[in-house]
Amino acid sequence: SQQGEEDPQALSIQEGENATMNCSYKTSINNLQWYRQNSGRGLVHLILIRSNEREKHSGRLRVTLDTSKKSSSLLITASRAADTASYFCATDALTDSWGKLQFGAGTQVVVTP
Amino acid sequence: ETGVTQTPRHLVMGMTNKKSLKCEQHLGHNAMYWYKQSAKKPLELMFVYNFKEQTENNSVPSRFSPECPNSSHLFLHLHTLQPEDSALYLCASSQDPGGNEQYFGPGTRLTVT
Repeated sequence: SQQGEEDPQALSIQEGENATMNCSYKTSINNLQWYRQNSGRGLVHLILIRSNEREKHSGRLRVTLDTSKKSSSLLITASRAADTASYFCATDALTDSWGKLQFGAGTQVVVTP
Repeated sequence: ETGVTQTPRHLVMGMTNKKSLKCEQHLGHNAMYWYKQSAKKPLELMFVYNFKEQTENNSVPSRFSPECPNSSHLFLHLHTLQPEDSALYLCASSQDPGGNEQYFGPGTRLTVT
């Protein structure tokens, strides 16, 4: 069954605005990761947050993790047209086979100039 | 772009054809993965290899046959596919299979006619 689910499914914003997307998951995790995918291309790793961390920053990205609610959020500040992509969360569940990341269906973000 | 290359980038094949997808990673990683990405669906893990040994076969039909001759190369042999197998096939690698960040290739867009 799907472990991570992103919300919203789609998001349309203007350049300079912030974009926030959420990920909910079902079982306990070792870590949670966020990836970006430009149309028809491979995924690019953005950030990894471990189960004992609550917040992490990388450039214009801010990720939070709330293990009590089994949820994470990804915030992109001051968005740019180049941020247009699909964003996926992936979980490394405690009970899963070694190396098995479970991905959500993604949030499609469109940033208009 | 990420150190993981895939060929071909696009493939159209009939249901009776036999073809192979190739993946090569130049990152010195020990683990390699095959994923299937269909429209509007989460990424599906197909196979995991660790040090050339298959450690995960996620209930994939036998018409998909993986081969990992060394830790840098991974193949996916295809035969007697169905139209519903049309998808983007992504290869990824990671330092080891323990839920670490994965590096993806650009994918092969497969169309089965």
